Amino acid sequence: NAGVTQTPKFQVLKTGQSMTLQCAQDMNHEYMSWYRQDPGMGLRLIHYSVGAGITDQGEVPNGYNVSRSTTEDFPLRLLSAAPSQTSVYFCASTRTSGHAGYNEQFFGPGTRLTVL
Amino acid sequence: EDQVTQSPEALRLQEGESSSLNCSYTVSGLRGLFWYRQDPGKGPEFLFTLYSAGEEKEKERLKATLTKKESFLHITAPKPEDSATYLCAVQAANNFNKFYFGSGTKLNVKP
Repeated sequence: NAGVTQTPKFQVLKTGQSMTLQCAQDMNHEYMSWYRQDPGMGLRLIHYSVGAGITDQGEVPNGYNVSRSTTEDFPLRLLSAAPSQTSVYFCASTRTSGHAGYNEQFFGPGTRLTVL
Repeated sequence: EDQVTQSPEALRLQEGESSSLNCSYTVSGLRGLFWYRQDPGKGPEFLFTLYSAGEEKEKERLKATLTKKESFLHITAPKPEDSATYLCAVQAANNFNKFYFGSGTKLNVKP
């Protein structure tokens, strides 16, 4: 049981390049999400998915695309990288709780992205 | 607007010196409040979920409490291995697909 895995761990891009951050979970969780973490700003939600084929925007979706073709995978695409997208990106999956719906989130180890 | 504010930004304690971290929130109906621990270079790790005012949860030296406007994470007799950043997050009742995080409190426990 690997939990939530993310690749790559580190990435350097030039302005205008595109790339895909990979995220996979083996816990059969329906809800998955992507966050970015910047110094002093905490975690901000980019996009989320409540199940295969269903995605929606979070707080800071501009410049990012997502898709969810399977329960396990939730890739994040940067269409045309900008220096403002330099950040640490975390993927998370959440099990549902009978008490109050979505509950604790399990986070991946993160991808540290630098855009020059 | 849903908002989470954590204080202090940083806290330095001597080993054994108890203290509390604060998480204040404004949300249109609270569905859940979450505490996470984050070590440098790693993803956040879940600690507690609180659902209603008056609720308390404990785990080793940590105890989380909840009121209608804020939550406290009490650390009793901390050890150096408790050093980490502690994050608070809320889930609103009217939009439970979104989680809002505070910017965290960086705790440093000196031996």
